[in-house]
Amino acid sequence: AQSVTQPDIHITVSEGASLELRCNYSYGATPYLFWYVQSPGQGLQLLLKYFSGDTLVQGIKGFEAEFKRSQSSFNLRKPSVHWSDAAEYFCAVGPQTGANNLFFGTGTRLTVIP
Amino acid sequence: DTAVSQTPKYLVTQMGNDKSIKCEQNLGHDTMYWYKQDSKKFLKIMFSYNNKELIINETVPNRFSPKSPDKAHLNLHINSLELGDSAVYFCASSHVWAGELFFGEGSRLTVL
Repeated sequence: AQSVTQPDIHITVSEGASLELRCNYSYGATPYLFWYVQSPGQGLQLLLKYFSGDTLVQGIKGFEAEFKRSQSSFNLRKPSVHWSDAAEYFCAVGPQTGANNLFFGTGTRLTVIP
Repeated sequence: DTAVSQTPKYLVTQMGNDKSIKCEQNLGHDTMYWYKQDSKKFLKIMFSYNNKELIINETVPNRFSPKSPDKAHLNLHINSLELGDSAVYFCASSHVWAGELFFGEGSRLTVL
């Protein structure tokens, strides 16, 4: 069965500090992997995605994520957080073929303090 | 120009009523979705349509009925609303399977 685990419900970081948000998944086959961001009152926006190839992927807003097959992880990182990064972050997995369905984690809320 | 637009943004209604949420996308995508986000922010797919054809229908009460009049529109009708239906409903679209979903801003439904 597919599942996505984001172990941190809420993270608080200082502006300018580095950030890592964790994501572990369970999936029957090699999945596509995604990180989405949701600002308050908004829909979700794609930050980055991994399909194949280089396991370190770059996204928008200075984010990157690394796919580690052996750990079934796809952690999101940013070297220096800005106040505007405060939002809810969702990791998701989806099939490489077949039904176009994403399974989302429960999200990590990021608070940025001055 | 909003890529995926949903109306209304807020809905407050009584138990037992029927309500609809409309969704339109101007991205030229052929696949559209409805997701439900509960009070704990958990997102779960409800339905997916490809070229007006239903292709994903998760375990959702049959009080929920999606309708896709054309590729650019996917509406959600809910009959006999219950308290547990209170949530934020997101419409999304994509190419058949290009990986990226484009989401609307959500419709917050509150059932009293």
